[in-house]
Amino acid sequence: QVQLVQSGAEVKKPGSSVKVSCKASGGTFSSYTISWVRQAPGQGLEWMGGIMPIFGTPNYAQRFQGRVTITTDEFTSTIYMELSSLRSEDTAVYYCARALLTVTGEYCFDYWGQGTLVTVSS
Amino acid sequence: DIQMTQSPTSLSASVGERITITCRASQTINSYLNWYQQNPGKAPKLLIYAASSLQSGVPSRFSGSGSGTDFTLTISSLQPEDFAAYYCQQTYITPWTFGQGTKVDIK
Repeated sequence: QVQLVQSGAEVKKPGSSVKVSCKASGGTFSSYTISWVRQAPGQGLEWMGGIMPIFGTPNYAQRFQGRVTITTDEFTSTIYMELSSLRSEDTAVYYCARALLTVTGEYCFDYWGQGTLVTVSS
Repeated sequence: DIQMTQSPTSLSASVGERITITCRASQTINSYLNWYQQNPGKAPKLLIYAASSLQSGVPSRFSGSGSGTDFTLTISSLQPEDFAAYYCQQTYITPWTFGQGTKVDIK
């Protein structure tokens, strides 16, 4: 059974950075893709980017390019998402999710972390 | 980026009713379409992947159809636990985008 457990809530000042962790257990960590998705209060879901630990090369959504960094630590099976230059609009719940490649070649997010609330406020 | 448009954005229905939610992509995405259910304060849950494949453990009253640009999620007989928000997602090309969501509440 795959489990993704995220770090706790954060309160940050505008202009600062936040680093959220996602610890995976179960399954084979090095073989699957982890994505980060955020959800602003009362809003929809937004994909930020993802990484496949075995390759270590992340893929970021253009709108977050230059502000987001996704890294992995294979020794602890942990994936990190760091977002810099925070502004109030970055206040959201941030989720990690496993992107499963199906037998027919599509990706879907079959396991999700519990979410981490990041509040950006002066 | 591929835009995903869901309709309706909200709907009110009764237990036992059949409902359908539609999702339209701004360009063809073949069958690279997933559906998720989200309850307040919870992470999304995968219902349907590859447009029409039912995720393990999901009740058979949920079904998906479509390909290309037009897709539907159908709940054949609404149950009390189905009142939630539903999102479609394309994974045809990055950025993997979501629809804006459909909130289903009790009539």
